[in-house]
Amino acid sequence: QKEVEQDPGPLSVPEGAIVSLNCTYSNSAFQYFMWYRQYSRKGPELLMYTYSSGNKEDGRFTAQVDKSSKYISLFIRDSQPSDSATYLCAMSAGNFNKFYFGSGTKLNVKP
Amino acid sequence: DVKVTQSSRYLVKRTGEKVFLECVQDMDHENMFWYRQDPGLGLRLIYFSYDVKMKEKGDIPEGYSVSREKKERFSLILESASTNQTSMYLCASSLEAGEQFFGPGTRLTVL
Repeated sequence: QKEVEQDPGPLSVPEGAIVSLNCTYSNSAFQYFMWYRQYSRKGPELLMYTYSSGNKEDGRFTAQVDKSSKYISLFIRDSQPSDSATYLCAMSAGNFNKFYFGSGTKLNVKP
Repeated sequence: DVKVTQSSRYLVKRTGEKVFLECVQDMDHENMFWYRQDPGLGLRLIYFSYDVKMKEKGDIPEGYSVSREKKERFSLILESASTNQTSMYLCASSLEAGEQFFGPGTRLTVL
C-alpha cells in the first residue's frame, strides 16, 4: 500500500465550479500537510501548508486536514481556466523525515 | 520569497557522460532534496541532506551521488549517464519539517 493515495483524474469542470481534490494516507505520524500546483513542464509551486488538523483558507483556496480519517482536501472556489494544472498533495512526519507525495490530480477548468 | 534555482532548464547529454546538476537556495534552509519526476511514477526521492556534508539516500539512489559542501548548494551527480535517467529533475529545500519549496526543474535527456 502506498503511503499517500491520490486520484489521478483527469478532472474536468466548467469555469466557476467548486473543485474538491483529495488525498488519503496511512501513516498516523504525518503532521505537516501541503498542496502544490504544477503547470506543465514547471516545478511544483507551494499553494497551501497546514500543520496538524483543521482548516486553512487563502483566497479561493481552502485546505482541510482530518487526521482521525487520515484524509486531506483542497477546495478551489470560483475555479478559473488558469487553475488548470496538476495538483499534488504532500505530507511529512517531522524533521529529518522525508516528504511523501501523492501522484497528482490533473485538473482542467473549461472556459 | 524563497528562491530555489537550478543551473539548467534543459540539458542534453550522451550515454556514459558524467553530469552535474546544481541547485542553490537563498533562504538558509537546512534541508535540501533531489527528486526525479516521470509520467505515471510521480515524484521519487533520490537523495536528501539535512546539513552541510550530510546526505541520506532516498528511494532511488542507484546511479546518483550528491554533494553538499555549502549550506545553500546541493549538487546531484550522474556518475555515468544512461538513457533511463532521462527525466525531469527537481531540487527542493525546506526549513525543518515545514514547507518544501521547489526549483523550476531541469529536463535532462540522455542520448
